[in-house]
Amino acid sequence: DTAVSQTPKYLVTQMGNDKSIKCEQNLGHDTMYWYKQDSKKFLKIMFSYNNKELIINETVPNRFSPKSPDKAHLNLHINSLELGDSAVYFCASSHEGRTEAFFGQGTRLTVV
Amino acid sequence: AQSVTQLGSHVSVSEGALVLLRCNYSSSVPPYLFWYVQYPNQGLQLLLKYTSAATLVKGINGFEAEFKKSETSFHLTKPSAHMSDAAEYFCAVSEGIRTYKYIFGTGTRLKVLA
Repeated sequence: DTAVSQTPKYLVTQMGNDKSIKCEQNLGHDTMYWYKQDSKKFLKIMFSYNNKELIINETVPNRFSPKSPDKAHLNLHINSLELGDSAVYFCASSHEGRTEAFFGQGTRLTVV
Repeated sequence: AQSVTQLGSHVSVSEGALVLLRCNYSSSVPPYLFWYVQYPNQGLQLLLKYTSAATLVKGINGFEAEFKKSETSFHLTKPSAHMSDAAEYFCAVSEGIRTYKYIFGTGTRLKVLA
């Protein structure tokens, strides 16, 4: 029973393509996040959603569009992929009143 | 604005030796602090957390950390390193309950020498 699951785990695609990453959590949390981990392992928040509402958008290019159909899901769609988008993308969730975030296993995106 | 500084991007210790990974934070409000571990090709796993209760926090796998407000530090320690401790360690800070953002340090890669 994976708490936060992401699909796919690996994604290789060509520049200019559009791709999506899906995330689901079964923890009953009300807040979900997308983080980007670059080649130097630096983790930077991209988006956070609380109860399906966008709370944080950290100056992410418009090519990235998150969508939260319900509190258990937060998907990430990326248009017109660029080489610089290559990274590991992590989904996470947490609950108000609790404190720590739970992370998925990550999606390694490689743009060629 | 909150920030986290991890001193030492790479730390090497001998098996059985003390592990000390350093973390200093900056926060305008009482912070919640976390240590996460990342094994190769895996996600982040919570080691321990400080949430304004006891300043000495014990976590999984024998790790512990002490919150020192006067030093704005939250260093991670383990008395005796094991080969399986080799991984990337991240310190993170949040503003507490109803936080919508966790700020991470740049990570410290721990290498354990046989």
